[in-house]
Amino acid sequence: GAVVSQHPSWVICKSGTSVKIECRSLDFQATTMFWYRQFPKQSLMLMATSNEGSKATYEQGVEKDKFLINHASLTLSTLTVTSAHPEDSSFYICSARRQGRTDTQYFGPGTRLTVL
Amino acid sequence: AQKVTQAQTEISVVEKEDVTLDCVYETRDTTYYLFWYKQPPSGELVFLIRRNSFDEQNEISGRYSWNFQKSTSSFNFTITASQVVDSAVYFCALSVNTGTASKLTFGTGTRLQVTL
Repeated sequence: GAVVSQHPSWVICKSGTSVKIECRSLDFQATTMFWYRQFPKQSLMLMATSNEGSKATYEQGVEKDKFLINHASLTLSTLTVTSAHPEDSSFYICSARRQGRTDTQYFGPGTRLTVL
Repeated sequence: AQKVTQAQTEISVVEKEDVTLDCVYETRDTTYYLFWYKQPPSGELVFLIRRNSFDEQNEISGRYSWNFQKSTSSFNFTITASQVVDSAVYFCALSVNTGTASKLTFGTGTRLQVTL
């Protein structure tokens, strides 16, 4: 159990376009999902915490108008990178925490975004 | 504030050697969780272990073992008889018990290269 999927696994887009990334918990309900960003050979940086049915909580320095997060159901959270620019190119990873549990996060396989 | 330090950035070993990955953490909370995740070249983070602050018992799972020492704030990870498939980046992480707002603080990761 505890499988998290992400779609797409990779995406290439032109500068100025918006890209939506989906994160789904496949076999459990997740009241909380997290979005991370990882640059090459670096650690994961938490971008925001997404709670089902409420607004996401963004970390300091993360532009909420740039990275739109929606957590509409207990199994789906989406991250939309609006008006993407080359500096937004990165590896985006989501994680989900089981409903009622506050400890372990289970991670998706990640989405590699390349903005040309 | 929480902090996780993985002083070893890269380690190279020959197959069948034992290797220990170090992790030192800092927190003022008395209740917390420690984690190890594996990130193979594919990018997906694989959950390996979770330990809570009240359980200092060491754990062994196959070739993997973990040594939790509160006195030194360390949570080291040993791979016995390493294999090429163990090549990956390993992250140590810390979460304090703040209810639904619990976040993971990651170390910078240790890249393990196992060669024949």
